[in-house]
This record gives sequence, structure tokens and C-alpha cells, in this order.
Amino acid sequence: EVQLVESGGNLVQPGGSLRLSCAASGFTFSTYWMSWVRQAPGKGLEWVAGINPDGSDKYYVDSVKGRFTISRDNAKSSLYLQMNSLRAEDTAVYYCARTLRHWPFDYWGQGTLVTVSS
Amino acid sequence: QSVLTQPPSVSAAPGQKVTISCSGSSSNIGNNYVSWYQQLPGTAPKLLIYDNNNRPSGIPDRFSGSKSGTSATLGITGLQTGDEADYYCGTWDNSLTAVMFGGGTKVTVL
Repeated sequence: EVQLVESGGNLVQPGGSLRLSCAASGFTFSTYWMSWVRQAPGKGLEWVAGINPDGSDKYYVDSVKGRFTISRDNAKSSLYLQMNSLRAEDTAVYYCARTLRHWPFDYWGQGTLVTVSS
Repeated sequence: QSVLTQPPSVSAAPGQKVTISCSGSSSNIGNNYVSWYQQLPGTAPKLLIYDNNNRPSGIPDRFSGSKSGTSATLGITGLQTGDEADYYCGTWDNSLTAVMFGGGTKVTVL
């Protein structure tokens, strides 16, 4: 059974940093693209970043470029999102999602809440 | 303002059919594959349709997808109360080099 479990969400002050983790199991993690997708309270979905199987290719939405970094450790079947210079508008539930060819997301974690507030 | 445009809400009686449109441009829907997601209240999104019109294993054939030009459509037949949810379309955008989602459509079963 495919499982994705996010962790690391927390309350952080504006300008602060946070690192999210996603532990994957039930599939061969090292052969799949992975993504982070977020959802602000009461709002729609926003894709944040994606990474290829060996970690050499990464894509980001414009609003997080230069501030967020996606990475992975295939030995640990884990996906990460390093978030720096956090802003109030980054407040959201962050989902880890397995990504297929042509960018559909077929499995999602339960999400982890990041709140940016003073 | 989303790059992909969806109606905010649609509604129909149980057993009826609803369609949800997703309008984009040549940089996204026109030249890429579309996916559709269902998000029940308080839960993570679930993939309903991928590559324009394919259903993952376990998704009933009451759900269907189609694409024409720069627009895509999700259809739900035999509407059930359990179908009340938010529905999102998504696709890659070649100009933005990013995945874009529509703003979401809330389906209400009357």
C-alpha cells in the first residue's frame, strides 16, 4: 500500500525557516517524480515544486523560487522541502504527492500545516 | 486569478449529471494533458482523471474526462450525495514551467 506521511509543519515567524519531510513507503520511491502541493486555508490547490527521480531536475512555482528548495534522499525514501524567508502568504497545508508522467498526482499524503505569523 | 478557469459551483439533483469546465490556453491545456481531482471536506485531494480521459483503478465510470482545444471537461453522471466535494483541474504550463490548477468547483447535490 502506497503511503506518504508528511511532518515538520509548525508555527513560524515571518522571515523564519522550516523544513518539511515526507516519508514514503509501499512503492519504489527512487523511480518516481515527487511534488509538494499546498492549500491555503479556505483556498484552492497550488503546486509548489517537483523533483525528478535522481534529484537532478527541479521545478518551482514563481512565488517560491529562491526561497524554497525541494530535495530527496532515495536511500531513506524521503522527500523534503526547505522553506526560507517565510511569508504570511505561505501559510497553508502542505501535501506531498507522488507524480506521474504528464504531471498527474496519484497519491497524496495527509498534509502538514505551516502557519507563518508573528 | 487562476491560469485555468473553472466555474465556482455547479449543482444538480441526485441521479442527474453535472459537467465542470476548465478553460486555459495554448501554453497549458492546449498542449498538455489534463488531470482532475476530487477533494472531500477535510481530506487530501484524490486523482479522478489523468491524461485527459483516463480513470485510475477504483474510480467508477460515472466520472469521465474530455479535452478539446484549450478546454477540458469533467463529467459526473448518476450524481450521489457522496459526490459533494470540490473538484480541481490541473495541467503543466509550458510558459510558466509549472503545474497549474484551476480555482476549483464546488459540486452540490440538491
